[in-house]
Amino acid sequence: QQQVKQSPQSLIVQKGGISIINCAYENTAFDYFPWYQQFPGKGPALLIAIRPDVSEKKEGRFTISFNKSAKQFSLHIMDSQPGDSATYFCAASMETSGSRLTFGEGTQLTVNP
Amino acid sequence: DAGVIQSPRHEVTEMGQEVTLRCKPISGHNSLFWYRQTMMRGLELLIYFNNNVPIDDSGMPEDRFSAKMPNASFSTLKIQPSEPRDSAVYFCASSFHLNYGYTFGSGTRLTVV
Repeated sequence: QQQVKQSPQSLIVQKGGISIINCAYENTAFDYFPWYQQFPGKGPALLIAIRPDVSEKKEGRFTISFNKSAKQFSLHIMDSQPGDSATYFCAASMETSGSRLTFGEGTQLTVNP
Repeated sequence: DAGVIQSPRHEVTEMGQEVTLRCKPISGHNSLFWYRQTMMRGLELLIYFNNNVPIDDSGMPEDRFSAKMPNASFSTLKIQPSEPRDSAVYFCASSFHLNYGYTFGSGTRLTVV
């Protein structure tokens, strides 16, 4: 019940295209859903996060879509750029009960020029 | 703040040797996490501390692994004896909250030959 399933494992997109990464969870008590971005040789860094009181959150070219009934959330990268090439991790936690973050398996995104 | 500081950045050691990885969390953060990242297994949580106390070490793969946090500004992860399958990137992360806002260090790339 603590797992977060992420897909796809890898993704190749052309410059200017839309990158979409999906995550699914089982534990309905999860109430905080962040996405982390990791560049080669670096640690993951928080990119954007959402709480279940909204269905969408947008920050620049990055958007999280959240579907509470389906227990799914996704990251959309609009106008993808080669500089977006990185590994992306979704995660979830129970903020109200103070549980630690559970990470997905990661998606390696490559944006071709 | 300099962020989470890990040392060394790279470590190459021979099988059977003791390896000690070090982490300095961000000042004021009271949660500290040790992760291991490999291509095969992704990002694995090994152990985490809250207020210097180990909370969950169920991710520690074997008794060869141990972790300590003697004070709020320092933690170590020790592998004794090391084996080639321990080769991975080890990340330390810290947070003010147990369930969000993790800041990762740049990692230690460990190679056991």
